[in-house]
Amino acid sequence: EVQLVESGGGLVKPGGSLRLSCAASGFTFSSYSMNWVRQAPGKGLEWVSSISSSSSYIYYADSVKGRFTISRDNAKNSLYLQMNSLRAEDTAVYYCARGAGAMLGWGQGTLVTVSS
Amino acid sequence: DIQMTQSPSSLSASVGDRVTITCRASQGISNSLAWYQQKPGKAPKLLLYAASRLESGVPSRFSGSGSGTDYTLTISSLQPEDFATYYCQQYYSTPRTWTFGQGTKVEIK
Repeated sequence: EVQLVESGGGLVKPGGSLRLSCAASGFTFSSYSMNWVRQAPGKGLEWVSSISSSSSYIYYADSVKGRFTISRDNAKNSLYLQMNSLRAEDTAVYYCARGAGAMLGWGQGTLVTVSS
Repeated sequence: DIQMTQSPSSLSASVGDRVTITCRASQGISNSLAWYQQKPGKAPKLLLYAASRLESGVPSRFSGSGSGTDYTLTISSLQPEDFATYYCQQYYSTPRTWTFGQGTKVEIK
């Protein structure tokens, strides 16, 4: 069974940092591009970042470029999102999702709250 | 960036109704479009990809169509479990900057 499990969310002050993780199982992680997608409370979905299977290609939404860093460790079947200089508008549930275009499967999400 | 405009933003329908949701891209996206269903407190679920290809396990009452800039999700006979919010997503843009529509909430009439 394909599983994606996010962790690392929590409450952080504006300007702070947080590192999210996504543990993958049930599929060949190293063969798939991966994504982070977020959803602010009561709002729609926003694509955040993508990374190709071998980390050769990395993309970011303009809203997080220069502050967030996506990475992966194929040996550990894990995806990461390092979030720096956090702002109140980064408050959201962060999902990891599998796929190079259409997102084939999603984790359950982890909540990040940026507040003083 | 490619903008995705969904309509309507919400609709009320009854069980058994035929429901249509539209997604318009700001430029042609060559059928690089996915549809997702999201229920409250849950992660989104892929329904269709490549505009009209049904994801494995998704009921056949869901269908997609369209080309160029205009795409449609149709639920042929609405079931109680279909009340949810639906999102379109384009994956055409280069470099990859995927965008979602703003969502359509399907509520019980």
